[in-house]
Amino acid sequence: DAGITQSPRHKVTETGTPVTLRCHQTENHRYMYWYRQDPGHGLRLIHYSYGVKDTDKGEVSDGYSVSRSKTEDFLLTLESATSSQTSVYFCAISRTGDTQYFGPGTRLLVL
Amino acid sequence: KNQVEQSPQSLIILEGKNCTLQCNYTVSPFSNLRWYKQDTGRGPVSLTIMTFSENTKSNGRYTATLDADTKQSSLHITASQLSDSASYICVVGPNDMRFGAGTRLTVKP
Repeated sequence: DAGITQSPRHKVTETGTPVTLRCHQTENHRYMYWYRQDPGHGLRLIHYSYGVKDTDKGEVSDGYSVSRSKTEDFLLTLESATSSQTSVYFCAISRTGDTQYFGPGTRLLVL
Repeated sequence: KNQVEQSPQSLIILEGKNCTLQCNYTVSPFSNLRWYKQDTGRGPVSLTIMTFSENTKSNGRYTATLDADTKQSSLHITASQLSDSASYICVVGPNDMRFGAGTRLTVKP
């Protein structure tokens, strides 16, 4: 998975609980992305980063925030998890913003 | 409405047979089109990437075609193998990429 790890790989949480997902890369790529994947929708971009402390919103950013204080780490935070945020979350990296390399995914269940 | 539509949603073929997956898009502006393979429980892996000026791109037994005029692409898999069982995802656009929902391919012995 191109030097990308995601943690945790699985998480079960309750509605209203804050949740933070971590994406770590060892490739020194500039761009990092967070996606969610749901049946019938394909991957949808939540947020992305084009450098340390440089982030922007994607297609489905409501209810999510991100931070990137180091090149290698990109954090996705659900401030107050809802059942609609139950999904599989993928992190991706890219050197130039072109081809993306995806991590193994995190399965999140919000009860 | 999704700007990238893939068909069929699912497909079952016998090992050794060929198949073709379709992708129609309305994304604009168009920069490039990519096909990804996603094995169950894993992240997508890039198969091919084509710009608007390219008509065909091959990667082993995978051949992608692109018609930028009709905004259609296809992925042809030759002599399928059991390991080809996966979801195949079409992705269109520059940085603000739009993903299709994918075609789930099952190759049976």
